[in-house]
Amino acid sequence: DIQLTQSPSFLSASVGDRVTITCRASQGISSYLGWYQQKPGKAPNLLIYAASTLQSGVPSRFSGSGSGTEFTLTISSLQPEDFATYYCQHLNSYPITFGQGTRLEIK
Amino acid sequence: EVQLVESGGGLVQPGGSLRLSCAASGFTVSSNFMSWVRQAPGKGLEWVSIIHSAGATYHAGSVQGRFTISRDNSKNTVSLQMNSLRAEDTAVYYCARAGVTVAGKYYFDYWGQGTLVTVSS
Repeated sequence: DIQLTQSPSFLSASVGDRVTITCRASQGISSYLGWYQQKPGKAPNLLIYAASTLQSGVPSRFSGSGSGTEFTLTISSLQPEDFATYYCQHLNSYPITFGQGTRLEIK
Repeated sequence: EVQLVESGGGLVQPGGSLRLSCAASGFTVSSNFMSWVRQAPGKGLEWVSIIHSAGATYHAGSVQGRFTISRDNSKNTVSLQMNSLRAEDTAVYYCARAGVTVAGKYYFDYWGQGTLVTVSS
């Protein structure tokens, strides 16, 4: 199975900050990676697919990059509604797996 | 408007069975890839099962042989039959549509609100 490791697991930041979350795959997965945002008590929401394509309706302050084994999610200027948990997900092969999550909190 | 509504969760004893259902509206399940994802209390997301539009199914190793995903085209629903339940299957179970397609890969663009399954004696 392909393992996804996110770093950091916990991030404290302020409104207006630029933050980057990294997702590393245990083997190459081309660009078959998605990023999801989840707020407490809610279902996940797709932000980025195919490593770098912004899902419709998602603000442009979110961006993704990478291919192979290393990927990043960047939020260019944090807004209050961005404080949540973020997960990466690979779709290279079955089983699909998710990273362990990065919890982004207000400093 | 696309909507997914899960039902069927509840309390079940270890070794018991439960059937979850996901009612879809605003699209046709038989034309899409549909999946189940679970989240144990306070934990991360875990993919469980998927059914392709052509009917092929795949399951995570942790549920292989115990869980079965299926769909009812006439009712536009997707189901997850869960047998031989264990305490570690306790989680919120989400139904998701894998509706964003790029290079033959399907990303999960719509999710239901989830249904809680608790396995305990």
